[in-house]
Amino acid sequence: NAGVTQTPKFQVLKTGQSMTLQCAQDMNHEYMSWYRQDPGMGLRLIHYSVGAGITDQGEVPNGYNVSRSTTEDFPLRLLSAAPSQTSVYFCASSYGQGLMNTEAFFGQGTRLTVV
Amino acid sequence: AQSVTQLDSHVSVSEGTPVLLRCNYSSSYSPSLFWYVQHPNKGLQLLLKYTSAATLVKGINGFEAEFKKSETSFHLTKPSAHMSDAAEYFCVVSGRDSSYKLIFGSGTRLLVRP
Repeated sequence: NAGVTQTPKFQVLKTGQSMTLQCAQDMNHEYMSWYRQDPGMGLRLIHYSVGAGITDQGEVPNGYNVSRSTTEDFPLRLLSAAPSQTSVYFCASSYGQGLMNTEAFFGQGTRLTVV
Repeated sequence: AQSVTQLDSHVSVSEGTPVLLRCNYSSSYSPSLFWYVQHPNKGLQLLLKYTSAATLVKGINGFEAEFKKSETSFHLTKPSAHMSDAAEYFCVVSGRDSSYKLIFGSGTRLLVRP
């Protein structure tokens, strides 16, 4: 059981380049989300999805796009990278959300540097 | 709006001594509360969760936390620290206020001295 798999683990981009961070889960979870982690700020929600074909913005969505064509995959796209997007990115999935929030499972993270 | 405050950015203890990581929350409705641990260069792992059942919650690796509504606190404790406990710990709140999204605290880095 692989859980949540993120690729790549490390990436260096030049300002203005684009890239896609991949996230896949094999637990048949409906809810998936992307966070960025910056020193002293915990994790902040970028975008999330409550099921295939449905996405919504989180706390810090600017500069990022997402889509959810399948239950398993939830890629995060940076269209034109900026140094402010240097961060560690985590993908997470959970069975759902609702009156009793279930455990979120996290990937290993992608460390992105924009120069 | 929901929020969570971790009162210490760093906590240092000696191996074998108790651990206390402090967390206060704000929520208009009954919250769900979680503690996650992140070891260096790793993802986050759930330690324990409170979802309106017992107020004293036991988690993995000997950690536990007590939900105190009157104090709006959810402090994490462990009777005896081990070197392998050195990591960053996140207190997380969720609930109706945040449309059930996870709201993270800023984290507490636990250092364990030999």
